Amino acid sequence: EIVMTQSPATLSVSPGERAALSCRASQSVRSNLAWYQQKPGQAPRLLIYGASTRATGIAARFSGSGSGTEFTLTISSLQSEDFAVYYCQQYNNWPPYTFGQGTKLEI
Amino acid sequence: EVQLVESGGGLVKPGESLRLSCVGSGFTFSNNHMIWVRQAPGKGLEWVSSISSGSNYIYYADSVKGRFTISRDNAKNSLYLQMNSLRAEDTAVYYCGRAPGYCSSTRCYDIFSDYWGQGTLVTVSS
Repeated sequence: EIVMTQSPATLSVSPGERAALSCRASQSVRSNLAWYQQKPGQAPRLLIYGASTRATGIAARFSGSGSGTEFTLTISSLQSEDFAVYYCQQYNNWPPYTFGQGTKLEI
Repeated sequence: EVQLVESGGGLVKPGESLRLSCVGSGFTFSNNHMIWVRQAPGKGLEWVSSISSGSNYIYYADSVKGRFTISRDNAKNSLYLQMNSLRAEDTAVYYCGRAPGYCSSTRCYDIFSDYWGQGTLVTVSS
């Protein structure tokens, strides 16, 4: 089973600043990585797939990079609505399709 | 507009069964691989099971294998999760998701969720 490790667990950033969230895979997942955003009481929302492709309707301030075992989600200028929990998920090796434990982005 | 609506959650005792349903609309349900993901209270996301468009390829997490059964009825645009021998650790919000990918005989492609339902809560407690 591939283990996905996200860091940091919590990231404190001010609105308007840039945030970089990290996700590491225990073995290569090539570019088969997705990022999701989840707000309290809501379902997750797909942000990025293929490591770097924005999903439909996702703002350009969200960008993904990386391949193999190291990935980064960058939010270029944080808006108030971006404060949430972010999860990465690999879909290269299955089962299972493993998620990271999440990074909470807080003000 | 793509919509997924789960139902069937509730409070059950350990060892009991429950069947979750998910109805899809706004897309051609029969063309899509579908998944179930759960989230225990205050915890992260856990992939539970997935099923290909024609039900040929079915996968389970080890934590539910032998107890849960995923199925679908494309004529009814519906996805199901039959959960037997429920345990306290199965307590979670269960989400269904649509995956844009597919499976072949050798591997699966793009099995992530591009749309999610709102979730249904399953509580297992005596």
